Amino acid sequence: DAEITQSPRHKITETGRQVTLACHQTWNHNNMFWYRQDLGHGLRLIHYSYGVQDTNKGEVSDGYSVSRSNTEDLPLTLESAASSQTSVYFCASSDGSSPMGGGYEQYFGPGTRLTVT
Amino acid sequence: DQQVKQNSPSLSVQEGRISILNCDYTNSMFDYFLWYKKYPAEGPTFLISISSIKDKNEDGRFTVFLNKSAKHLSLHIVPSQPGDSAVYFCAASGRGQGAQKLVFGQGTRLTINP
Repeated sequence: DAEITQSPRHKITETGRQVTLACHQTWNHNNMFWYRQDLGHGLRLIHYSYGVQDTNKGEVSDGYSVSRSNTEDLPLTLESAASSQTSVYFCASSDGSSPMGGGYEQYFGPGTRLTVT
Repeated sequence: DQQVKQNSPSLSVQEGRISILNCDYTNSMFDYFLWYKKYPAEGPTFLISISSIKDKNEDGRFTVFLNKSAKHLSLHIVPSQPGDSAVYFCAASGRGQGAQKLVFGQGTRLTINP
């Protein structure tokens, strides 16, 4: 069965360290997204990609970067981790076809809980 | 500027009764609306959606209503079951370039009491 996986599931790091969170999907979806979930804010978009070599900034992109070298993977990098980046991070994908065919529905991974001390 | 708002952080409903979750939006360019359900330690899962050309969409126990003039949508769950206890997010997408991005509300925690 197709799926979307994230690793690690839990990560503790120190302020100033570079951290990379992995996201891998086997849906063969063109679109991939990274969100963070914080109490009172819901899910906020960090970065997204509509295909290989395409990346775009979302609502809360400062301090984060992504690269898309293949269809399956969109790793999220925190260049210099800060305590404000302690959060739960979700990766999602969608096929991007017509919304009437469910193309805008995003499938989410299980999340990565990141703690920056 | 929160474009999608869920003003009730939590809701408690008795098993078997109707649960109504509400969502308001400010952007008139939103064209497609979705509801997601999230259990603890899991990712959100898609529940039901509605296009702006409709005012109602039904799927089993779940019905979503859209009132475009009020920029308001609601999710009705009838009858409510203990397994419905979760956090519910509404989301919206626009048209044209960037239409495939979703903007999420803050979420409402639904608790179904036996």
